[in-house]
Amino acid sequence: DTAVSQTPKYLVTQMGNDKSIKCEQNLGHDTMYWYKQDSKKFLKIMFSYNNKELIINETVPNRFSPKSPDKAHLNLHINSLELGDSAVYFCASSQGSGDYGYTFGSGTRLTVV
Amino acid sequence: DAKTTQPNSMESNEEEPVHLPCNHSTISGTDYIHWYRQLPSQGPEYVIHGLTSNVNNRMASLAIAEDRKSSTLILHRATLRDAAVYYCILKYTGNQFYFGTGTSLTVIP
Repeated sequence: DTAVSQTPKYLVTQMGNDKSIKCEQNLGHDTMYWYKQDSKKFLKIMFSYNNKELIINETVPNRFSPKSPDKAHLNLHINSLELGDSAVYFCASSQGSGDYGYTFGSGTRLTVV
Repeated sequence: DAKTTQPNSMESNEEEPVHLPCNHSTISGTDYIHWYRQLPSQGPEYVIHGLTSNVNNRMASLAIAEDRKSSTLILHRATLRDAAVYYCILKYTGNQFYFGTGTSLTVIP
């Protein structure tokens, strides 16, 4: 069983569209995250949720809105997609603050054309 | 923001030990040192972490300098499957990891 699963794996869409990426973890972790990896392979945290509550919201355009219906799911909705949003988006989870490590999903490659 | 410095790339022969260095001269007393690796087209994978003492697990060993301003990830016998980008990260209080550019490890058969 995949511990942290993201769907879709690939997403190609036009500028201006609205899209969502889904993430689910079956590890029983209470904290989930979204990271963005740009073309230079730099990974940057976007959001962190603990027990469905937002605890980190880095400087991210408000076109990005995370939604956590329960502690096993953290979805990312993106409005009015722009070319610069093209990147690989990783979901991750941890127990508590992650002192014993994060578990990452395999990523969603978003291409905006 | 990453506050760590690593060589961009390293090479190792298969089945030989690999020492991956990391400098973190501005580390504070509460910062944990974490290592992750990312294989091509995959998400980052946890390798090991420590605070002050050297640490061992089934994947690797972590040697932490006495002043904590540097650390070394040790892979005891490199295999082709260890070819990846290795990230040394300081974990701040709270749930924030800042990934730097990492070290791209090439394993030569």
